[in-house]
Amino acid sequence: AQRVTQPEKLLSVFKGAPVELKCNYSYSGSPELFWYVQYSRQRLQLLLRHISRESIKGFTADLNKGETSFHLKKPFAQEEDSAMYYCALSGRGNEKLTFGTGTRLTIIP
Amino acid sequence: DVKVTQSSRYLVKRTGEKVFLECVQDMDHENMFWYRQDPGLGLRLIYFSYDVKMKEKGDIPEGYSVSREKKERFSLILESASTNQTSMYLCASSPGGTGAVEQYFGPGTRLTVT
Repeated sequence: AQRVTQPEKLLSVFKGAPVELKCNYSYSGSPELFWYVQYSRQRLQLLLRHISRESIKGFTADLNKGETSFHLKKPFAQEEDSAMYYCALSGRGNEKLTFGTGTRLTIIP
Repeated sequence: DVKVTQSSRYLVKRTGEKVFLECVQDMDHENMFWYRQDPGLGLRLIYFSYDVKMKEKGDIPEGYSVSREKKERFSLILESASTNQTSMYLCASSPGGTGAVEQYFGPGTRLTVT
């Protein structure tokens, strides 16, 4: 069975401070990992995926297979980063996603 | 630009009513999904469809059914609504093929069952 754990329901960070949203997963095969974001009054959208190794809006995430983690990081938080963040996993070749419970990030001005 | 629309933003129904939630996508995607989103529980998959008339149960299918008669439309049906089905319902679509690709979400329907 596959599982995604986001240990923090709420996270508050001062503007300009570094941000790290934690994500751990459980999966026996080769996973594909994603971060989705939902800004206030907007629909859920993809932020980034591990396979593309991009930096989106200053965010990066590295897949650590040894620690089974995919933490989302940004060196300097901005007020517009306040949102709900979900980590998600799929098995290689599987089109379904398993989501974590989400972390609500609040940036304090 | 992918567009996923849902028939209602807010819906209030009584216990025992039959409820239909509609979702339409305009990008010719093969896959469509229904999730419910609850605080502290995240998104949970109810049903998944990978082709017209094809469906697969997700993690929490009990009390729900689905219909996909046309490629662009995926309906979620609550046969007899109950108060524990009060939730935000999200529809999503993605292209078919191998491997998970980006899912595109609708704006959601907030259903209240009284």
